[in-house]
Order: sequence, then structure tokens, then C-alpha cells
Amino acid sequence: NAGVTQTPKFQVLKTGQSMTLQCAQDMNHNSMYWYRQDPGMGLRLIYYSASEGTTDKGEVPNGYNVSRLNKREFSLRLESAAPSQTSVYFCASKSYEQYFGPGTRLTVT
Amino acid sequence: QKEVEQDPGPLSVPEGAIVSLNCTYSNSAFQYFMWYRQYSRKGPELLMYTYSSGNKEDGRFTAQVDKSSKYISLFIRDSQPSDSATYLCAINTGNQFYFGTGTSLTVIP
Repeated sequence: NAGVTQTPKFQVLKTGQSMTLQCAQDMNHNSMYWYRQDPGMGLRLIYYSASEGTTDKGEVPNGYNVSRLNKREFSLRLESAAPSQTSVYFCASKSYEQYFGPGTRLTVT
Repeated sequence: QKEVEQDPGPLSVPEGAIVSLNCTYSNSAFQYFMWYRQYSRKGPELLMYTYSSGNKEDGRFTAQVDKSSKYISLFIRDSQPSDSATYLCAINTGNQFYFGTGTSLTVIP
């Protein structure tokens, strides 16, 4: 039982490049989330998916898209990366409590 | 006004001390309260989860909720160097989670 897994662990992009962050959970949870964490800002919700086939915007959705591929997988896409998107990205899934993955450290130069 | 406010610290205590971590929240409709621990360069891990006013104890950790004051606390007894981490309070309503910015704790041997 791996819980919530994320790939990649680290990534460096140039401004304007695109990439997809992958997340998978094996706990059969309906809800999944993407957050970014920046110093002094705490965890901020980018998008969430309450169930397979649905997605909703969170606090900071601009510049991101998401896909809930199936019940297990929820991906986050940066279409044209900007330096302001340099951050640590966490995926989470929820039954009653929320469980987090190990994070992806993204640097955009 | 942010939904959750948390003193960022940092907090430094000697081993064996009692630690008190606190958050306030703005919306009296919030029902579910959590504390997460985050070690450096790791994802947050759930420590405590409660949905009612009063105290909930788990080993050396006690979570306290005062809904009348909109105040939540985490107490750590007999603190250990392994407790050195950032502690995040969080509040859940439906599918939305609101996080404090985290308090950095160092327990000195």
C-alpha cells in the first residue's frame, strides 16, 4: 500500500516549456487535490476533484490544468511554465482525512 | 481575512518541554479540524483529526478545539528532538481544506 505517489520528484523547466505532474493513490479515495506550497504562503489549493470525472478550481488555478484520468490518477499540467510557478507541488487524496504525497520540487528559470 | 491564521514562529524549546501551537479561524461554520506535521523536504502527514469542541489525546499529542473562540491548539508533551518539524493546522468544510502557514518547531537536545 503506497498511499499517494507523485512523479517526478524534481524538475527544472525553462520559461514557456510545458510539463505534466503525475499523481496516483491506491486508497480508493474519491477526492483528490493539487496544492502548491511556497515559503510564508502555506499550502494553497490549485484544483481538486471530488470524484472521477469532475474537477473544480481552487484558490490559485491560473496557469494550470488538471485531468482526473480515473479514480486513481489526477494529473496537473503546466502549459507554459513561468518563474512564478517555481514551487513545491503536493497531491493529496481524501476519505475523511487528507493524505499527501511526497511532493514535486519544480524550478522554472 | 484569511480563513486560518497561524503564528509562523519559529519556536525553539529544550527537550522535555511542553509545546503549545495555536491557530485561529474565521468561519464559525467550520466543523473539521486537523493538525499535520511536515518534516523538511517531505509531504505533510496527518497527526490529529477532530470535529468537536474539547480535547482529543493521542500519546504525547493533544488537540484542543474551542469553537466559541474559533481557536485550535496542539499540545506536545515531553517534546523530543524528533518532533522538530513544521506543524500545520487545517480546517475542512466539504471538499475544501484551508491551511495555516505552519509553525516551525525545533526541539533542542
